Amino acid sequence: GQQLNQSPQSMFIQEGEDVSMNCTSSSIFNTWLWYKQDPGEGPVLLIALYKAGELTSNGRLTAQFGITRKDSFLNISASIPSDVGIYFCAGDYGSSNTGKLIFGQGTTLQVKP
Amino acid sequence: GAVVSQHPSRVICKSGTSVKIECRSLDFQATTMFWYRQFPKQSLMLMATSNEGSKATYEQGVEKDKFLINHASLTLSTLTVTSAHPEDSSFYICSARQGLLNTEAFFGQGTRLTVV
Repeated sequence: GQQLNQSPQSMFIQEGEDVSMNCTSSSIFNTWLWYKQDPGEGPVLLIALYKAGELTSNGRLTAQFGITRKDSFLNISASIPSDVGIYFCAGDYGSSNTGKLIFGQGTTLQVKP
Repeated sequence: GAVVSQHPSRVICKSGTSVKIECRSLDFQATTMFWYRQFPKQSLMLMATSNEGSKATYEQGVEKDKFLINHASLTLSTLTVTSAHPEDSSFYICSARQGLLNTEAFFGQGTRLTVV
């Protein structure tokens, strides 16, 4: 079945540093999404990508949908303490935008003030 | 963004009992809702797709008689964990989708189920 490999598994960085994480898949996805989850809460959508090659920013966040449609990365610039959390990539299961998502394993981010 | 509300946020139940979790879209009509399960320090796994007015579609390996889903209106889906056992203890999260094309699914805050 389809799987998403997300890396790194965890990061511990200094406040102000930039962060990069990525997801790869053996299958093609037509939609890539990046979420942030705080402990005990549901995921919150950060960025949605719908076209291969698309590069989208949301404040200090930038994400790109890989040309091959099998990968995506998320960058966070100038990290701050509130960036702490678990970041998940997700791809839409279907050949079209079904809304059924498969998630990566998550990247736990810790920021040292 | 749109708001999806889950209730309860936490529940503890005895082994063998059933537990109902509600997922509501508060300011939009959700044609489709999804139920996910998340074990500690793991990712979210899709359990089933809930469509208003029709039967839910379950992912492979998910017991439909164990996890009953009802989507009686465009703003409410319920997940009932029947005859719960300790191994059913998990974080259950729903998401709701407003439209069909390029629309994001909004997630609820999750329900922590503990079966003792």
